[in-house]
Amino acid sequence: EAGVAQSPRYKIIEKRQSVAFWCNPISGHATLYWYQQILGQGPKLLIQFQNNGVVDDSQLPKDRFSAERLKGVDSTLKIQPAKLEDSAVYLCASSPPWGTQSPTQYFGPGTRLLVL
Amino acid sequence: EDQVTQSPEALRLQEGESSSLNCSYTVSGLRGLFWYRQDPGKGPEFLFTLYSAGEEKEKERLKATLTKKESFLHITAPKPEDSATYLCAVQARIQGAQKLVFGQGTRLTINP
Repeated sequence: EAGVAQSPRYKIIEKRQSVAFWCNPISGHATLYWYQQILGQGPKLLIQFQNNGVVDDSQLPKDRFSAERLKGVDSTLKIQPAKLEDSAVYLCASSPPWGTQSPTQYFGPGTRLLVL
Repeated sequence: EDQVTQSPEALRLQEGESSSLNCSYTVSGLRGLFWYRQDPGKGPEFLFTLYSAGEEKEKERLKATLTKKESFLHITAPKPEDSATYLCAVQARIQGAQKLVFGQGTRLTINP
């Protein structure tokens, strides 16, 4: 079974530029998540989609970050304009639908962003 | 405030030297506790899920246990390939939404 795919794997930009990341979840997974992981810390949830609807975006800096999941499959996360503190790894994860217990989230390899 | 704290931050062991990693949490309405392994430059890799106090799960040299306030990841006779960062995360209802809240991780190094 194919895992979560992300691209690009690395990106270097200058501050105030824009950048976009792409994610393709595991086939059949209705829920998709974007996380930000700063060096030395655990991942922090930015936004959660259920199919193509937003479930939670309370920790997304909406003045500069945006995300969409058209057709309930692939998703893109955009930063515009980027700041130095946005340097981090951006992880995409997906999970099967909720049943009686919490579903397991499966992570992609991440996109490493460096803002100069 | 809902919180997940892992200790120690870093741990160095000799090959074959068993030890335990700790994950303590203060969340209400725990819906599951997850352990992940993360290698440098890669995304977290799922290891275990624990749902209730007293539950235990094992996989090769790893064993995870859960109490009402903390979880332990026991590593028995580790090998150098067990070197990685181990992340603990709890699934809880926070501000009306189900979220996975991660600890900061424990960096484990196994010397041959």
